[in-house]
Amino acid sequence: GALVYQYPRRTICKSGTSMRMECQAVGFQATSVAWYRQSPQKTFELIALSTVNSAIKYEQNFTQEKFPISHPNLSFSSMTVLNAYLEDRGLYLCGATGGSDYTFGSGTRLLVI
Amino acid sequence: GDQVEQSPSALSLHEGTGSALRCNFTTTMRAVQWFRKNSRGSLINLFYLASGTKENGRLKSAFDSKERYSTLHIRDAQLEDSGTYFCAAHDTNAYKVIFGKGTHLHVLP
Repeated sequence: GALVYQYPRRTICKSGTSMRMECQAVGFQATSVAWYRQSPQKTFELIALSTVNSAIKYEQNFTQEKFPISHPNLSFSSMTVLNAYLEDRGLYLCGATGGSDYTFGSGTRLLVI
Repeated sequence: GDQVEQSPSALSLHEGTGSALRCNFTTTMRAVQWFRKNSRGSLINLFYLASGTKENGRLKSAFDSKERYSTLHIRDAQLEDSGTYFCAAHDTNAYKVIFGKGTHLHVLP
């Protein structure tokens, strides 16, 4: 079956530092990978959508300068949160699809201190 | 406004009863997925529908792209059904997926 492994599960970083999270697709080819953030009391907001051989598309309020994403092949993607501050805390989720339904990772919970 | 409106935001059911969750879409979507967040925080895929209905055990989902809604019916609710349920609509453009705000389901003994 299709699985997406996301790591780390949780991480703590000091204010102003950066952290990177990764997703590995297993059992299918991740043609597209979407990264989301669930801030406290909010739903999952789309940060960006990455499709292999296409430019990464960022949603309003999210930029490549803040959330650089790498999607080098059909099984792996990573996203970095640069200069993390308190407002960046929350659950970050990656989802991958080979063309139809999405499979999601278990999320990376980011705490900023 | 939100492209995906999920309701209710919270729901309490007694064991053995049932109810429905609903997502309305402001634009035409090509597909919908329903997820349940488990105790570890992972999103478990319940259904993927591009049209029509699907049933799995005590759960049944329907998706009407033209009428812009999807439903998730739960019958004979059990305590272990408690949790947060999300719908996620697949935009007709590219592979963008938009989440509803979730429904917190609490099944009471």
